[in-house]
Amino acid sequence: QVQLEESGPGLMQPSETLSLTCTVSGFSLTSNGVGWVRQPLGKGLVWMGTIWAGGSTNYNSAVQSRLSISRDTSKSQVFLKMNSLQPEDTGTYYCARHDDYYYDGTYYDYFDYWGQGVMVTVSS
Amino acid sequence: DIQMTQSPPVLSASVGDRVTLSCKASQNINKNLDWYQQKHGEAPKLLIYYTNNLQTGIPSRFSGSGSGTDYTLTISSLQPEDVATYYCYQYNSGLTFGSGTKLEIK
Repeated sequence: QVQLEESGPGLMQPSETLSLTCTVSGFSLTSNGVGWVRQPLGKGLVWMGTIWAGGSTNYNSAVQSRLSISRDTSKSQVFLKMNSLQPEDTGTYYCARHDDYYYDGTYYDYFDYWGQGVMVTVSS
Repeated sequence: DIQMTQSPPVLSASVGDRVTLSCKASQNINKNLDWYQQKHGEAPKLLIYYTNNLQTGIPSRFSGSGSGTDYTLTISSLQPEDVATYYCYQYNSGLTFGSGTKLEIK
């Protein structure tokens, strides 16, 4: 079955670089894209960026200058790296599988499977 | 960037009520909109994709509609297990989540 699991450090210092890993199973990263979604404590969901099945990436313009998403298809892992961390980067980080496809002339895109999330706190 | 505004931010309703949640886009998103449910302490779950398509396993009391800039999620008969925050999400241009509507039971 499809599974995604985030991992990474729970506590970071301001100005450091965050590195998170999303390990997937049950599907291939060359068949589906994976997105990262952040949720500040008590607040809403924010799409951060996506690496698509073909390997291209898109980023939220608000964090684009600090964010990089990559993958290792042989290990079924997707990586998020974000530099210059600030306290406002604190929150739960989710990875989620995109199911995106064309059918009968219509484009569909949705997150059909999610990881459980990893909490990241940025504090000195 | 497309902005997605959900209303109301908080909605309190009684069990059995028909409930309507709204999502308004800052520009036409051509029905490229999904709805997610997030219960407290859990990851979000897909309810509806492409405006009105019910995800497998989701109860039929959930439905979606809309076009252009205005979209709605309707729960035909509110159940206690529907307490959650609901988010719309557009993928017409970039990818954006709405601000969320927190649904409570009276």
